[in-house]
Amino acid sequence: AQTVTQSQPEMSVQEAETVTLSCTYDTSESNYYLFWYKQPPSRQMILVIRQEAYKQQNATENRFSVNFQKAAKSFSLKISDSQLGDTAMYFCAFMKPNDKIIFGKGTRLHILP
Amino acid sequence: DSGVTQTPKHLITATGQRVTLRCSPRSGDLSVYWYQQSLDQGLQFLIQYYNGEERAKGNILERFSAQQFPDLHSELNLSSLELGDSALYFCASSASLGGASEAFFGQGTRLTVV
Repeated sequence: AQTVTQSQPEMSVQEAETVTLSCTYDTSESNYYLFWYKQPPSRQMILVIRQEAYKQQNATENRFSVNFQKAAKSFSLKISDSQLGDTAMYFCAFMKPNDKIIFGKGTRLHILP
Repeated sequence: DSGVTQTPKHLITATGQRVTLRCSPRSGDLSVYWYQQSLDQGLQFLIQYYNGEERAKGNILERFSAQQFPDLHSELNLSSLELGDSALYFCASSASLGGASEAFFGQGTRLTVV
């Protein structure tokens, strides 16, 4: 069974700094998708970024980028120029085609003014 | 706005009761997922429907059941409620059978069992 591990339960960084959230996963599949979801205090689940396993190029969305290391089964999220609005719980998620999304336990990120 | 609508937003009920949570997926999305999130916990997958048929089942209790209707909306039924069922219940939808399409989440239904 696939598993997703986020080893950092909580992190704090100063506003405008860069922060990296770690995620590792375990699968024997070669074709799958990886996501980072953000859950702010409102509890809404918001998709931040997605990565297809067959793509070697790391996905980027404005200040958010990933470091996808397929062989190492690692999928970290980098937030550049962090903002107060980035304060949230961040979930790493895995999905193989035609299957459910599996979430990690989350990393609570605090952006400090 | 994700386009996924969940009702009600909040629900308070007593132990032993039965409730129904409703989800309307994004227009055109055929796949619906239900997740449970207890306080400060991750998201636990309950069940997935695709175009009216059950596609995958997670750690869903026998007291819980779900279905997807011909108009693609879905309902999650929770019966014989216990205090431990208090949680945030999310519905998500995606266009495909979970292939190339990410899931978009509703705002959740916060269930409190007293």
